[in-house]
Amino acid sequence: GENVEQHPSTLSVQEGDSAVIKCTYSDSASNYFPWYKQELGKRPQLIIDIRSNVGEKKDQRIAVTLNKTAKHFSLHITETQPEDSAVYFCAASFSKTSYDKVIFGPGTSLSVIP
Amino acid sequence: DTAVSQTPKYLVTQMGNDKSIKCEQNLGHDTMYWYKQDSKKFLKIMFSYNNKELIINETVPNRFSPKSPDKAHLNLHINSLELGDSAVYFCASSQEGVLLSAYEQYFGPGTRLTVT
Repeated sequence: GENVEQHPSTLSVQEGDSAVIKCTYSDSASNYFPWYKQELGKRPQLIIDIRSNVGEKKDQRIAVTLNKTAKHFSLHITETQPEDSAVYFCAASFSKTSYDKVIFGPGTSLSVIP
Repeated sequence: DTAVSQTPKYLVTQMGNDKSIKCEQNLGHDTMYWYKQDSKKFLKIMFSYNNKELIINETVPNRFSPKSPDKAHLNLHINSLELGDSAVYFCASSQEGVLLSAYEQYFGPGTRLTVT
């Protein structure tokens, strides 16, 4: 079936520390893995994405790694800041006959303590 | 300059009523979506339209009916509202690639529906 699992569900870190969120997906054919950040009361917004032909991607303090063999991918945030506090969603694409469907994980609530 | 807009932002109504939520995108995207986000923050896809054609129709009660008059608009009509329909509903759009491969989704600001 189409399933994306995400851990942990909540995460608290001290400002300046790193945060890691891990996701697994069920379909070995999945080829697109976006990460969205949703601040309290706001809309989800894409922060980084990766495709299956790449093992790692970095954008300033954010990096995503992908292990296609194990069917898992991770988000790494370094030097966390209070404004990083939000709910983070991973997602994976599931191929249908003529389109891709993106399924979201259940989310991780990250709190960065000043 | 709003990319994806939704109206209304808040909707409070009684059980049994019928209501609609409107969504518009000015990004020129071909694909639009409706998501439901419940109190536990799960983002669950409900429907997706590509160029006015329904391509995703998840297990959603048939009280929910999407309508896409053109590719820039996707409205959601809900009949006979129930308490369990209370949630935040997000509209989104994306420009798919070849064979509708997935790309970034742009979300609207959400509509908080409260059914009393």
